[in-house]
Amino acid sequence: DTAVSQTPKYLVTQMGNDKSIKCEQNLGHDTMYWYKQDSKKFLKIMFSYNNKELIINETVPNRFSPKSPDKAHLNLHINSLELGDSAVYFCASSQGPAGSYGYTFGSGTRLTVV
Amino acid sequence: AQSVAQPEDQVNVAEGNPLTVKCTYSVSGNPYLFWYVQYPNRGLQFLLKYITGDNLVKGSYGFEAEFNKSQTSFHLKKPSALVSDSALYFCAVRDKAAGNKLTFGGGTRVLVKP
Repeated sequence: DTAVSQTPKYLVTQMGNDKSIKCEQNLGHDTMYWYKQDSKKFLKIMFSYNNKELIINETVPNRFSPKSPDKAHLNLHINSLELGDSAVYFCASSQGPAGSYGYTFGSGTRLTVV
Repeated sequence: AQSVAQPEDQVNVAEGNPLTVKCTYSVSGNPYLFWYVQYPNRGLQFLLKYITGDNLVKGSYGFEAEFNKSQTSFHLKKPSALVSDSALYFCAVRDKAAGNKLTFGGGTRVLVKP
C-alpha cells in the first residue's frame, strides 16, 4: 500500500512528443505537488494543488499542464517535449497547504527525452 | 523569499564517527525547517522538522537537528554514522508567503566509509 505512487517510473521519449505522468496518494492529504529534480539533484517546485485548486504555479513553460481530477490525484501533462525536460519528476502530498507535517514523496519518474 | 543553503556538496565520515550536515536559512518571521533524505533512485523521505519549541529536534534513524536562531542554522547531526546513512540530504524551509511551498537547499551527499 504505497502512500504516493507515480506512474510510470521510467519514461523515454522523443523530442516533440506529448506525455503524461500520473500521481495518486492514498493518505487523505489535501495538498499535492510536483517537483522537478535536475541532473545536479537540485529540487524545484513546479505546481501545487489544494483540494483540486491550483495554489502554486511557478515559472514553468506553458507546455507543462497539471490536472487534478480529485484531491487524491495530480497528473502532469507535458507537450512538445524538449531535451531540457529530461529530469526526475517527483509528486508529493501533505496534509493542508501548511505542510507542517512535512511532505510525503513518491519515488519519482525519470523522464529522458532523446 | 525564504531560502536555505547547504554549504557542503559532500561530507565524508568514517563509520562510527559523528556526522554533521550543515544548513543555514534566510526567512522572515518564524521558520518552519525540515530535513529530508534521498537514497539512490528513491523519493525523498522525511527525517525531522522544527516548527517551534525545543531547539534540539529528534527525528528518524537516530538523526537530530539543532535550531540556532542567532546563527540562522539548522544543522543535522548523528552521533555515530552508519554506512547505510550514505545518501543525499536536503534541508528545506516552508515559504508561508508563497503558498506554503517547501524550498529546498542544493543537497549534501554523505558518504560513510567502513
